[in-house]
Parts: sequence; structure tokens; C-alpha cells
Amino acid sequence: GDSVTQMEGPVTLSEEAFLTINCTYTATGYPSLFWYVQYPGEGLQLLLKATKADDKGSNKGFEATYRKETTSFHLEKGSVQVSDSAVYFCALSSNNAGNMLTFGGGTRLMVKP
Amino acid sequence: GAGVSQTPSNKVTEKGKYVELRCDPISGHTALYWYRQSLGQGPEFLIYFQGTGAADDSGLPNDRFFAVRPEGSVSTLKIQRTERGDSAVYLCASSLQGQMNTEAFFGQGTRLTVV
Repeated sequence: GDSVTQMEGPVTLSEEAFLTINCTYTATGYPSLFWYVQYPGEGLQLLLKATKADDKGSNKGFEATYRKETTSFHLEKGSVQVSDSAVYFCALSSNNAGNMLTFGGGTRLMVKP
Repeated sequence: GAGVSQTPSNKVTEKGKYVELRCDPISGHTALYWYRQSLGQGPEFLIYFQGTGAADDSGLPNDRFFAVRPEGSVSTLKIQRTERGDSAVYLCASSLQGQMNTEAFFGQGTRLTVV
């Protein structure tokens, strides 16, 4: 079945550091890929998505490129801020009825001033 | 309301009791999903509704879990004979159509603790 693996946290960075959170997936067909973010005390929010190979999703300075050859969708940001501290979830949706999401285990990011 | 609303936000119950968790999706969203998130893990799919019908309930762990959406809007997740292993955050999400590339909007969840 479908699965998503992402690097375990917590990831602790200083403000303005470069961020990478690795995500790889296993799926049949051609899934859509997502990054969701959960800020403290809030619900899951869609951060960015990519729907086909080589697409790049971007939002709020974050980027991720859909790499079919390596089955990866790594999240990057060039300069993190304290306000980026949150838990980040990589997810996929296979080309099936219903568009259900399969999530990775989440990576907690802590950014220190 | 503007977003997906879940009530209660917290629920503590004794082992063996029955609980109901409520989800109010975004108005007009035909697709509704329930997920379960255990501590330190990502959400796991439970059930998907398209309108009033459960289109996919393959994620329900056993027959103690049941969900309804009688009028195609509000949904209730029902858990019978609760066990300590049912303790988790139960998330509800809705989307406009439930099709590929349609964004799912999540509620803040109900934290269920079975003691």
C-alpha cells in the first residue's frame, strides 16, 4: 500500500538557517504530493502541493519539488524564522476515488532566535 | 462558520463507555473525512463520506467504530466500548468535491482520552 517516510525530528535551527526536511514515498500510479503544517494550538493547514512529476510547489518561502525518479518531495526554505516553528507533515493522495491522504509521521521544527 | 468545527475539543471517558464526536464541515463541502492521530504520529485515514454515504470506510479499525452523515453535512463518529488504545486526536476534514487536487481543510480535532 501507499506509505510516506519523513525524517524524524525534532529539527532545531537558528533563525535565518537553511531548512531541509526529507520526505520519500511509496505509491502505485501517479500520486499528488503535499506538505501540511500544524502550528501550535492550530489545525493542519495545507502548505504546498505538487500534482505531477517535476512540479514545484511553493508557499511562504517554502518549496518542494516532485521527484519521481527518487520518489521524493523534500521540503526546503532558505531562511527560517521563529514563526516557522511547527510540525510539518508530508502526505500523498493516490489517484483513487475520494482523495484520501496518507501522511508521514511528522517532523517538529524548532527555530531559535 | 468559516472553517471545519469539531466538538468537543477534549473528551475524557472511562474504558467501556460510548462516545460521540461531532464534525461540522465547511458549508457546501460534499466530501468529509475522519482521521485519527496518535501521539507522535501522522494522521491515519478512517472513513470518507461523499454526501450522505460512506464511500470508503476501509480505515475503521474494527466494528466498535461507526460514523454517520445523515443529511450530508454534519458527521458524527461513534465509538462503542472504548478502550485505552482508542486514545488519540480525531481529526475531521472536508473538501469541495473529494477529487484529486481538491484541498482538504482540517478541523482542530477532538482529543479523546480513555482512562
